[in-house]
This record gives sequence, structure tokens and C-alpha cells, in this order.
Amino acid sequence: GQNIDQPTEMTATEGAIVQINCTYQTSGFNGLFWYQQHAGEAPTFLSYNVLDGLEEKGRFSSFLSRSKGYSYLLLKELQMKDSASYLCAVRLYNNNDMRFGAGTRLTVKP
Amino acid sequence: DAGVIQSPRHEVTEMGQEVTLRCKPISGHDYLFWYRQTMMRGLELLIYFNNNVPIDDSGMPEDRFSAKMPNASFSTLKIQPSEPRDSAVYFCASSFREFGTDTKYFGPGTRLTVL
Repeated sequence: GQNIDQPTEMTATEGAIVQINCTYQTSGFNGLFWYQQHAGEAPTFLSYNVLDGLEEKGRFSSFLSRSKGYSYLLLKELQMKDSASYLCAVRLYNNNDMRFGAGTRLTVKP
Repeated sequence: DAGVIQSPRHEVTEMGQEVTLRCKPISGHDYLFWYRQTMMRGLELLIYFNNNVPIDDSGMPEDRFSAKMPNASFSTLKIQPSEPRDSAVYFCASSFREFGTDTKYFGPGTRLTVL
């Protein structure tokens, strides 16, 4: 089967840095995505990694290690609006075969 | 662009009734996906279309579920008869290319409650 694991919940303070981890064991790998989903809304694309290393995009960065089956999403200078669920998704072979983790619910407190 | 459009946004129905969910993908996108999201199972792919043709429906739970895409700008997901365990948020998503970094764009979802 395909396993994608993330912590269920995390809490952090406004202005701080938080790292959300994702580990995966899948039959194929052709890229890892991070999506943000606010309560009651649709998932929106945050980042994409296909090669090992760090991808930085403003306050958000995503890291991938294919040999370890591991990724993390790093959020800096946390804002209250960052309170949301963060979904890790692995593309197995093509853009049509993506498996999502259950998501990590992040709460940012003042 | 208005993004992916779904209707209705909320649907409450009784067990045994037929439910039809609708989706309009982003213009120019040639892939359309139907997902279901629940607390227990997370986000699951039900079926996807390429150029209006169903490619993989292995995620469809059972024969009570069916999906159609009569043209490039419209798709439906039908549940008949509906059951309480079908209660979930159903998302439609579209994308342009199969490979590369092109990502899926999700619609706002339809929250279905079957009583």
C-alpha cells in the first residue's frame, strides 16, 4: 500500500518558525506537493519538490530527501492567517496519481 | 479566470435519494478530477477524465457512484441511492498537463450530508 504520514496537529506562536514533517512509503515517486487548506475551503498549492534539497518561496520553504522518504514544510514569521491544514501529497507516476496525507492542522496563537 | 466552479456548495438529503454534484473546470484544462474528503480517510481520488474521457475510476466506491463529462466545460458526479456514509466534502479539480509542475486547481467543494 501507499503510506503518507504527517502529524495530526501542531501549535505555534505568531512570529515563530514551525516545521511540518511528512514521511512516505510509496510504490512510485515523481514529486512531492504541499497544499494549504483553510477550514471549509479547497486545498491550494504551496510548493513542489522533485529533486533533493530545499525550495524556498517567501515565508514558506519545502525540503525533500528521496532516499529517506522524507519532506518538511517550513513556515517562517508565522501569521495568524497561517492557521490551516497542510497536506502532503506524493505524485506516484504522473499528475493523475497523487496520494494525499491526512493533513496537519496548524494553529497559530498570539 | 473564475477558477473551478462547483455546485451546489451544500447539499442535505435523505438516505435513498439521488444526489448530483456539478463541476465546471478551468477553461483550457484537459484533466478533471473528482475527490472526496472525510476526517477518517482524508482526500481520496474517485475518478479522473482526460479530454472528457474517463481514464481511471478505480477509486469510485461502488456502483452507486457514477460520473460523466459530456463536454470540456462540465462534469457531474451522481450518487444513487445515497447513504449516510457518503457524507463528505466532494472536490472537483482540474489541471492542464499530465507531467511537470502543473498543479491541480481545486474547486470550493460540495459539502454533502446524507441523513
